[in-house]
Amino acid sequence: DADVTQTPRNRITKTGKRIMLECSQTKGHDRMYWYRQDPGLGLRLIYYSFDVKDINKGEISDGYSVSRQAQAKFSLSLESAIPNQTALYFCATSDFSRGRTGELFFGEGSRLTVL
Amino acid sequence: QQQVKQSPQSLIVQKGGISIINCAYENTAFDYFPWYQQFPGKGPALLIAIRPDVSEKKEGRFTISFNKSAKQFSLHIMDSQPGDSATYFCAASMNYGGSQGNLIFGKGTKLSVKP
Repeated sequence: DADVTQTPRNRITKTGKRIMLECSQTKGHDRMYWYRQDPGLGLRLIYYSFDVKDINKGEISDGYSVSRQAQAKFSLSLESAIPNQTALYFCATSDFSRGRTGELFFGEGSRLTVL
Repeated sequence: QQQVKQSPQSLIVQKGGISIINCAYENTAFDYFPWYQQFPGKGPALLIAIRPDVSEKKEGRFTISFNKSAKQFSLHIMDSQPGDSATYFCAASMNYGGSQGNLIFGKGTKLSVKP
């Protein structure tokens, strides 16, 4: 089983619908992240969480919200999806609690299409 | 705005050749510079990383060259192989402040190695 699991892997939805992307990890890491990948734009940070009670906005948080339900679970919500939120979304984790380098471990991505 | 600028956007190299990808950064507070490799359908994964106290780091066919005064770093892939065909992202982070450890990514380089 993957250490960082994202569900769903693919989702097609319509404008205005609420969408939730879920991420769970078995690595025991304290930090979790949501990134968005668009062709030619690289990886852009949406939200990040240093622990269950610490959630922070990233570079492109408008239109998104997150919930850290437990140390191992971090979900991303689009309250009212719009077509320009069509993208590949990645969850990632890192271990900073024990002075590690902060290497990110990514899930395999969730491809979202908003029609 | 903290930025990491990556070039070229795409690169085609013959098998056995040298692939070179360049990145430049602006924030002199950055102190960790990783490269991530992403294969189609997968999440990015750490390839190699460097800290600014050294000018070069080599791991097998992959080398990072770091020029602190120019605020530039590059990835060299020696004896490039078709299996190296992937998208490569440079990144940078700083080890203090509210965004401690958060990676700022370049926009990526799609490398194709022709047989």
